[in-house]
Amino acid sequence: EAGVAQSPRYKIIEKRQSVAFWCNPISGHATLYWYQQILGQGPKLLIQFQNNGVVDDSQLPKDRFSAERLKGVDSTLKIQPAKLEDSAVYLCASSRLGSYNEQFFGPGTRLTVL
Amino acid sequence: SQQGEEDPQALSIQEGENATMNCSYKTSINNLQWYRQNSGRGLVHLILIRSNEREKHSGRLRVTLDTSKKSSSLLITASRAADTASFFCATADYGNNRLAFGKGNQVVVIP
Repeated sequence: EAGVAQSPRYKIIEKRQSVAFWCNPISGHATLYWYQQILGQGPKLLIQFQNNGVVDDSQLPKDRFSAERLKGVDSTLKIQPAKLEDSAVYLCASSRLGSYNEQFFGPGTRLTVL
Repeated sequence: SQQGEEDPQALSIQEGENATMNCSYKTSINNLQWYRQNSGRGLVHLILIRSNEREKHSGRLRVTLDTSKKSSSLLITASRAADTASFFCATADYGNNRLAFGKGNQVVVIP
């Protein structure tokens, strides 16, 4: 089966600019996750969708980050405006419906904010 | 939120040796998972061990879980240069599939 696809792979922007990331999960996976991974740390969950509804966005900085999953398939994560501390790798993952399932990760988007 | 912490943070071994990593966590969990990440890539799931299991094997991997000590270990036997990667433990709370990741172990296998 095809894996989780993400684009772009790399993005460099200046602070206060906007940026958007795209994710296409594995076909049939109802649950989609966005993680932020800062260099030298483990991934931190930003938001979790089940189909097109938000399950958990408690760690999403909602003043500047937003995400949507229209039609319960693809998802976009947006940062507006970006700050220097947003420099990180943004990982998308998906899993089958149901609790405690293995998560499948995409390659990530490396964001550098100058 | 729950977060595993791995120990040691960095490990350098010779090819053929075994590599052991430990992970500690703080609260009750449903399961603990280990993931691998190669430089510049996404994470790959290695193994999941449930809270009612004590040991699990998968190929050259052996995972143990001690819920009384809130700790887990990952053993990679007969390491290969291709095993060079970062390894993360992640804990799943009851009631959801939200994973809390540790900072990771960086393992370098010298050919």
